[in-house]
Amino acid sequence: EVQLVESGGGLVQPGGSLRLSCAASGFTFNNYAMTWVRQAAGKGLEWVSSISGSGGGTYYADSVKGRFTISRDNSKNTLYLQMNRLRAEDTAVYYCAKVVSYYYARHFDYWGQGTLVTVSS
Amino acid sequence: EIVLTQSPGTLSLSPGERATLSCRASQSVSSSYLAWYQHKPGQAPRLLIYDVSNRATGIPDRFSGSGSGTDFTLTISRLEPEDFAVYYCQQYGSPLLTFGPGTKVDIK
Repeated sequence: EVQLVESGGGLVQPGGSLRLSCAASGFTFNNYAMTWVRQAAGKGLEWVSSISGSGGGTYYADSVKGRFTISRDNSKNTLYLQMNRLRAEDTAVYYCAKVVSYYYARHFDYWGQGTLVTVSS
Repeated sequence: EIVLTQSPGTLSLSPGERATLSCRASQSVSSSYLAWYQHKPGQAPRLLIYDVSNRATGIPDRFSGSGSGTDFTLTISRLEPEDFAVYYCQQYGSPLLTFGPGTKVDIK
């Protein structure tokens, strides 16, 4: 059974940093791209970032480029999102999701339950 | 960036009725790379349809997808109580992946 469990969310001040983790199980982790998607309260889903199966390719939405870094540790079956220079508009529930292929630009077949990030002073 | 527009914003229907949800893209979606997801409050989003018309594993056949180019449709033939949720389309035919704003299907 595929499981994705996010952690690392919390309250952080504007300009601060936070690192999210997503522990994956139930599939061969390094065979699949992974992605982060967020949802602000009362808003829709927004793609944030994706990473290829090897970690050699990383992709970002314009809204987070230069501030967020996606990475993965295939030996630990874990996906990360390092978020720096956080802004109030980054407040959202962050979901990790499994991509159906090694390449990032495909649909997402499994999702985690999400972790809440709140950026506020 | 491909912008996706969904209509209507809210669809109020009764169980047993047919739901037709629209997703329109600002430019043609390459290779029919369009998916639909169902999202309920407090839950993980769920993949329903991929590549325009393919049902994901375990999705009942009352859900169907169609369309091409810039116009796509998700149809729920007969609404079941568990189908009341928000539905999002997503395109993955361009390097910047995008979602539509969602259509809420609620109980009339």
